[in-house]
Amino acid sequence: ETGVTQSPTHLIKTRGQQVTLRCSSQSGHNTVSWYQQALGQGPQFIFQYYREEENGRGNFPPRFSGLQFPNYSSELNVNALELDDSALYLCASRGDPGQSFGAFFGQGTRLTVV
Amino acid sequence: RKEVEQDPGPFNVPEGATVAFNCTYSNSASQSFFWYRQDCRKEPKLLMSVYSSGNEDGRFTAQLNRASQYISLLIRDSKLSDSATYLCVVNGRSQGNLIFGKGTKLSVKP
Repeated sequence: ETGVTQSPTHLIKTRGQQVTLRCSSQSGHNTVSWYQQALGQGPQFIFQYYREEENGRGNFPPRFSGLQFPNYSSELNVNALELDDSALYLCASRGDPGQSFGAFFGQGTRLTVV
Repeated sequence: RKEVEQDPGPFNVPEGATVAFNCTYSNSASQSFFWYRQDCRKEPKLLMSVYSSGNEDGRFTAQLNRASQYISLLIRDSKLSDSATYLCVVNGRSQGNLIFGKGTKLSVKP
């Protein structure tokens, strides 16, 4: 077990709605990153938070936003959902943003937009 | 050119076979390299890091060729439980992000 937990595990939303996904980091980890994995693709980096500030972002529009809380848990918010947002959303935590070892993922939230 | 490229497979091999996966990456400044394993409808799990000198973990051997920007994973004595998708991963340009290939699907048959 990685110690990273995500909720909910599955979610169905309607196009145009907003969604919030949650992640609890492994104890002691102050860095969290979010990835989107569409079917048949590798995970794509959305953004990273370090000590409550965004410190890296991938090629995703502003309707993808996030928060990190003082306890280092995190949220991913997606506004104006589109059908193409249907994917597995993965959260990963690290002790420091520059650590060179790989990230450890939570079990993911599978989002379906209809 | 994609940042990380892998042969999608599938690779269908019998138990006990040796199988090799290859991966190329485009950013010559990449410093960290990994192989992840992903089972169907599960999260990716770190299989091993890849070091310049090459490294081995049991039946798994990873190699890195920086000059050719090429990474490989060798699995010896394949088990049924090795059936999964193997993702090649390198660190990205911005701090903290990892760049994943699409993955190579392996199916080990009895």
